[in-house]
Amino acid sequence: QVQLQESGPGLVKPSGTLSLTCAVSAGSIRSSNWWSWVRQPPGKGLEWIGEIFHTGNINYNPSLKSRVTMSVDASKNQFSLKLRSVTAADTAIYYCAREVVQGVGGNWFDPWGQGTLVTVSS
Amino acid sequence: SYELTQPPSVSVSPGQTASITCSGDKLGDKFACWYQQKPGQSPVLIIYHDSKRPSGIPERFSGSNSGNTATLTISGTQAMDEADYYCQAWDSSTLYVFGTGTKVTVL
Repeated sequence: QVQLQESGPGLVKPSGTLSLTCAVSAGSIRSSNWWSWVRQPPGKGLEWIGEIFHTGNINYNPSLKSRVTMSVDASKNQFSLKLRSVTAADTAIYYCAREVVQGVGGNWFDPWGQGTLVTVSS
Repeated sequence: SYELTQPPSVSVSPGQTASITCSGDKLGDKFACWYQQKPGQSPVLIIYHDSKRPSGIPERFSGSNSGNTATLTISGTQAMDEADYYCQAWDSSTLYVFGTGTKVTVL
């Protein structure tokens, strides 16, 4: 069973850059799956940030595209997220997740990492 | 952009049936899935492809999708089903979209 684990600083200063890594275990990031980041502000709903394939193909949520960079390191079986110019509104639990695709439009996330809380504060 | 709307909360008595709706333009033309999220935990997939249950998900969870509305039904609701539930769909232009989320309270 594939497992995902997020890691990175839990506190980022306003206007700084949030950097997180997701380590994939019990499976290969070179599989046919895409890999995503999803965030959840405290007490609020889920927001998709973007997805990456092991070849480096990427798609971002248009609402965050100008500030987001995702990358993959297949040799380490991990992928990463950078979010620039952060504000308090970027305070959230950040999850990484594997995408499963079956048929046209049959896309979902399974499994998810445990999530990591990132707080933007001075 | 594509949007999915859910009721903020649903209350249900133990043993009764809870229905959670997810509304979006022509949602029935897309596939819907559902996640359960308990406090302090990550979301867990409970329904995919509108009505299919992953291995290990109890039969009391079922789903349907038609017209503009997808519905998650919990039959014989148990106290352990108290959680937040999110629908999700995939759209070729917006890619991944989540519903606004519904808190299910078992009274």
